[in-house]
Amino acid sequence: SQELEQSPQSLIVQEGKNLTINCTSSKTLYGLYWYKQKYGEGLIFLMMLQKGGEEKSHEKITAKLDEKKQQSSLHITASQPSHAGIYLCGADRSGANNLFFGTGTRLTVIP
Amino acid sequence: DVKVTQSSRYLVKRTGEKVFLECVQDMDHENMFWYRQDPGLGLRLIYFSYDVKMKEKGDIPEGYSVSREKKERFSLILESASTNQTSMYLCASTKTASGANVLTFGAGSRLTVL
Repeated sequence: SQELEQSPQSLIVQEGKNLTINCTSSKTLYGLYWYKQKYGEGLIFLMMLQKGGEEKSHEKITAKLDEKKQQSSLHITASQPSHAGIYLCGADRSGANNLFFGTGTRLTVIP
Repeated sequence: DVKVTQSSRYLVKRTGEKVFLECVQDMDHENMFWYRQDPGLGLRLIYFSYDVKMKEKGDIPEGYSVSREKKERFSLILESASTNQTSMYLCASTKTASGANVLTFGAGSRLTVL
């Protein structure tokens, strides 16, 4: 079965610090999606990566997909309290039109 | 602003009750999904639908059924609620021809079964 492993499970950082969240698969990923979830709410789409070596940025968040397309990282620069929440990676399920997800990383940013 | 609307944000039901969770999208999306989210387990796919009156089982369909009578509406049904179905339920949708599975999610329905 396909699985996505996220690390760390939780992260507490001081405001202004940089941080990285990782998402690893044992199989090649066809499409990798990053979502953010505020506590108790739905998921908000951040970025999608499809090509090996691809990198995308939006404001202070950068997502990368490695060349082998088995690992992705999400990097936040100069974190702010507004970055707090749960970050989830999702991937295209092989041969199907839906996503499976990692277990998420809970980010707390201390002012 | 396009969106996915889940009619109930919070529900409290008793064991054995029949529960309906409603989801409506206004984006003319063909595909709709129901996930449940539990601490430590992430999001797990319950059922999904590619078209009206069509449904496919996801990873954990046991104890659930769905209904898709209209394109914009996808309902999740718990025929006889049990305490292990206490969870956050998330509905999502996406368009078939978009080239990517960028799901748009609703705000979630938190169900507690006593």
